[in-house]
Amino acid sequence: AQSVTQLGSHVSVSEGALVLLRCNYSSSVPPYLFWYVQYPNQGLQLLLKYTTGATLVKGINGFEAEFKKSETSFHLTKPSAHMSDAAEYFCAVSRDSGTYKYIFGTGTRLKVLA
Amino acid sequence: DAGVTQSPTHLIKTRGQQVTLRCSPISGHKSVSWYQQVLGQGPQFIFQYYEKEERGRGNFPDRFSARQFPNYSSELNVNALLLGDSALYLCASSPGQGAIYNEQFFGPGTRLTVL
Repeated sequence: AQSVTQLGSHVSVSEGALVLLRCNYSSSVPPYLFWYVQYPNQGLQLLLKYTTGATLVKGINGFEAEFKKSETSFHLTKPSAHMSDAAEYFCAVSRDSGTYKYIFGTGTRLKVLA
Repeated sequence: DAGVTQSPTHLIKTRGQQVTLRCSPISGHKSVSWYQQVLGQGPQFIFQYYEKEERGRGNFPDRFSARQFPNYSSELNVNALLLGDSALYLCASSPGQGAIYNEQFFGPGTRLTVL
């Protein structure tokens, strides 16, 4: 069965500092991986996704993630945090298996300090 | 283009009541999925519908049911509400089935409070 683990339910960084949000997955088949962001009282917005091909994926708002099969990881990074990045971030795994559901991690709340 | 829309935005019910939540997918999308997001947790998969047929069900009791209409909109019904059903209910749509259609687009959600 597929599963997702997000290490760190809360992460704080200073404005301008590197953002690193960790995601490890478990899947018996090559996964499709996603990062979503959720702002207060809003739905989920896709940041980036990995399906096949290049393992370094670039997304919106300057975020990127690297798929590392050997480490079963898909960590999200951004070189320089901005105050507007403060939100909750969810990693999800999915696979073309007939049921197109996502398995989400428990989320990481990012706080950006001025 | 309009995104996924959900109604109502907020809802307050009491234990034992029944509730119906509604979702309109992005135009041209034929697949709708429902998720429950309890405060402080990630979304949990409830149902997926494609072409009006149930294609997937998560680990939820039979009190939860859903359907998809010919125009691809969807309703989620929850009977005999419990306090634990209080959550944000998210609807997501995707163009169809198959690997290239795996991305889901989420609506803003319906916040259900059960008293």
